[in-house]
Amino acid sequence: EPEVTQTPSHQVTQMGQEVILRCVPISNHLYFYWYRQILGQKVEFLVSFYNNEISEKSEIFDDQFSVERPDGSNFTLKIRSTKLEDSAMYFCASSSSQYEQYFGPGTRLTVT
Amino acid sequence: GIQVEQSPPDLILQEGANSTLRCNFSDSVNNLQWFHQNPWGQLINLFYIPSGTKQNGRLSATTVATERYSLLYISSSQTTDSGVYFCAVERTGGGNKLTFGTGTQLKVEL
Repeated sequence: EPEVTQTPSHQVTQMGQEVILRCVPISNHLYFYWYRQILGQKVEFLVSFYNNEISEKSEIFDDQFSVERPDGSNFTLKIRSTKLEDSAMYFCASSSSQYEQYFGPGTRLTVT
Repeated sequence: GIQVEQSPPDLILQEGANSTLRCNFSDSVNNLQWFHQNPWGQLINLFYIPSGTKQNGRLSATTVATERYSLLYISSSQTTDSGVYFCAVERTGGGNKLTFGTGTQLKVEL
């Protein structure tokens, strides 16, 4: 069964460093998303992406964040200058339509 | 934005017991999904159920969209059912983002 994959599974970085989280969505899906979950809290929407552009973003998704689909298979989330409060689990998701979303296993980001 | 409330927040069961988890939402939706977050943090899709009833093994779910709630039933619970159960909804006309509830933390004991 096709699945969303994410790399790395765990990333440790120092405050102020740039990180890129990578995702490979399900191959025939057209809609892509990033969510995050701070430890012990609920999952929050960050951004959705369709037709090579951002379709919606939350207020969390400020200028420090960017997304890109650099080729036909990868979907990336870049955090330009990480802060301690960016420590969280980041989930990528994809969907073939505007309905059921399939989630990847997540990348745990730790900012020290 | 849409509000999503789940109850109970915490639940402890003996193995073999049945349970019902509830998700209430404050507006009309065109997507509702149930997830199980396992101890490793992975979100496992359980059901895509904007309306109606579905069953998958020991799990079943019912969404009554007109009354703005969904129920997840777990029968004959096992220790592997432990974890957090999230309901997530996409508000009608609200773009294609999921809004998650705060979850139900389930612990199944021997």
